[in-house]
Amino acid sequence: QKEVEQDPGPLSVPEGAIVSLNCTYSNSAFQYFMWYRQYSRKGPELLMYTYSSGNKEDGRFTAQVDKSSKYISLFIRDSQPSDSATYLCAPLTGTASKLTFGTGTRLQVTL
Amino acid sequence: DGGITQSPKYLFRKEGQNVTLSCEQNLNHDAMYWYRQDPGQGLRLIYYSQIVNDFQKGDIAEGYSVSREKKESFPLTVTSAQKNPTAFYLCASSIDMSGYTEAFFGQGTRLTVV
Repeated sequence: QKEVEQDPGPLSVPEGAIVSLNCTYSNSAFQYFMWYRQYSRKGPELLMYTYSSGNKEDGRFTAQVDKSSKYISLFIRDSQPSDSATYLCAPLTGTASKLTFGTGTRLQVTL
Repeated sequence: DGGITQSPKYLFRKEGQNVTLSCEQNLNHDAMYWYRQDPGQGLRLIYYSQIVNDFQKGDIAEGYSVSREKKESFPLTVTSAQKNPTAFYLCASSIDMSGYTEAFFGQGTRLTVV
């Protein structure tokens, strides 16, 4: 079993839709949960992160962690064509952690 | 501007050749990483370095080698032993590897075997 599982997509939604991107993980030692966004032919950039369980909101983006079920979600409200990218989840244990990424979900927001 | 620079952007290699991908950072970060990205497989860790003159194998180190002689530089050599080297290679750095750490990525090198 991989440490981090993510549906690779592609996921295609119309502009304005609410998008839900998800990851599952197997390592119960993960404490920090990060989402990176990667545009085509570019390096990933950190979008947002949460620590332990709960929600965190940043503009149109909400990150949610459920440690009991080892499930991570990223919600995008009022999706825009500029949100079209690959979204990668990356959990960390918090101690001498090497970054482990999910496969990434490719999102396409259409006009 | 602070950041990570990878070069070249595109690289072509003949069968049996070794090639070296450059990665330089001016962020004063201790930790540096090399990832390989293939379609549908996400980022897979090749090598990482927590400090100068020290590096560790990642999940797919076979056929690759690295050095870390300077804090700002972490070159990756793809050797002829790597059977399927065509991929997008990403270099990253972070302040260190303890606790929460954000990784900063370069723009990548696309390597193609011809």
